[in-house]
Amino acid sequence: GEDVEQSLFLSVREGDSSVINCTYTDSSSTYLYWYKQEPGAGLQLLTYIFSNMDMKQDQRLTVLLNKKDKHLSLRIADTQTGDSAIYFCAVGVEDTGRRALTFGSGTRLQVQP
Amino acid sequence: DSGVTQTPKHLITATGQRVTLRCSPRSGDLSVYWYQQSLDQGLQFLIQYYNGEERAKGNILERFSAQQFPDLHSELNLSSLELGDSALYFCASSARQGSYYGYTFGSGTRLTVV
Repeated sequence: GEDVEQSLFLSVREGDSSVINCTYTDSSSTYLYWYKQEPGAGLQLLTYIFSNMDMKQDQRLTVLLNKKDKHLSLRIADTQTGDSAIYFCAVGVEDTGRRALTFGSGTRLQVQP
Repeated sequence: DSGVTQTPKHLITATGQRVTLRCSPRSGDLSVYWYQQSLDQGLQFLIQYYNGEERAKGNILERFSAQQFPDLHSELNLSSLELGDSALYFCASSARQGSYYGYTFGSGTRLTVV
């Protein structure tokens, strides 16, 4: 089945850019998402990209997809202390519902003032 | 508020017991997914229902079962509980059967088995 890998921890200073990386194994992955989890809360969908796209920008968030290397990244510009959270990469293969989204183990982003 | 409601928020129970976790999906969503989040295993997919029928199965133990009712709410039943079942259990919903729109998550039920 699909395997999704993320680094566990990232620390940045307030105002800097953060880049969170994710790799996946299934080359037929079609839908790729980034979720944010704050302490004591559920997962909140931040942004997404489809496999026919290379990049998507949404305000301070930029998602890059390298299909050849099966690599996905999330860049947060001008990182704020409120961005401190766990960020999950999630990958979906198709839309028939036979396989649910596979999540990475999450990257804990710590933003230092 | 995401629109996905999970109850209870916290549950403490003893080993060997049985509990039921409840989830009401976002209005209009037909799919319900259950995930288990533990410290050492990340977010693991358990099971999916679509409009009352089981659609996909993940790493769900035989001691666990789920169902989706005609009003689309879902229940996850955990029996013969072990210490290792302590985790956050998330329910998520989506409008379609598959992944296209991503999922909307509830705030989870924290289960502690003592």
